[in-house]
Amino acid sequence: QVQLQESGPGLVKPSETLSLTCGVSGYSISSGNYWGWIRQPPGKGLEWIGTIYHSGSTYYNPSLKSRVTISVDMPKNQFSLKLTSVTAADTAVYYCATDSHSWERFDYWGQGTLVTVPS
Amino acid sequence: QSVLTQPPSASGTPGQRVTISCSGSSSNIGSKTVTWYQHLPGTAPKLLIYNNDQRPSRVPDRFSGSKSGTSASLAISGLQSEDEADYYCTAWDDSLNGVVFGGGTKLTVL
Repeated sequence: QVQLQESGPGLVKPSETLSLTCGVSGYSISSGNYWGWIRQPPGKGLEWIGTIYHSGSTYYNPSLKSRVTISVDMPKNQFSLKLTSVTAADTAVYYCATDSHSWERFDYWGQGTLVTVPS
Repeated sequence: QSVLTQPPSASGTPGQRVTISCSGSSSNIGSKTVTWYQHLPGTAPKLLIYNNDQRPSRVPDRFSGSKSGTSASLAISGLQSEDEADYYCTAWDDSLNGVVFGGGTKLTVL
């Protein structure tokens, strides 16, 4: 069974770049699957950030597209999220997730990691 | 403002049947499949329904999904206290070229 674990700084300064990594165990990224990032700001709903296919093709949320990069590191069996020029509005619990069938659904999720951008 | 519209709250008593609606448009629900998640605070969201009405084997058959036109629904029968959670619908949106979520519905078991 696929297991995912987010890691990265819990505090990022305004205007800097948020960088998170999702470590994958129980499955080789090079074998396939769609790998995504979703976030939940405090007191708000879930928001899709973007999805990458193992080959490197990506789709991003249009509202974040200019600031987001998702990439795959096959030797390390992990994938990453970079979000530039962060503001307090980017404070959220960030989840990594994956599915074997499609861009838009996620069957396996990490536990999430809180990233705070002070105002 | 979410692209998919859900009621912010729903409630029911143990044993009851509850439905949660999700309204969209022709560019998402009207032409794409709907997925539903259950989310308990502090935990990872759980896939409940995919392809409008398909249920992973680990999900109890008390949960069911349906779709008609540009709307979808999640039904929970035989409501249990552990069903108290937030529920989200999602779909691909062809106009936005991305995944859209509903705002979420907080289900309370009275």
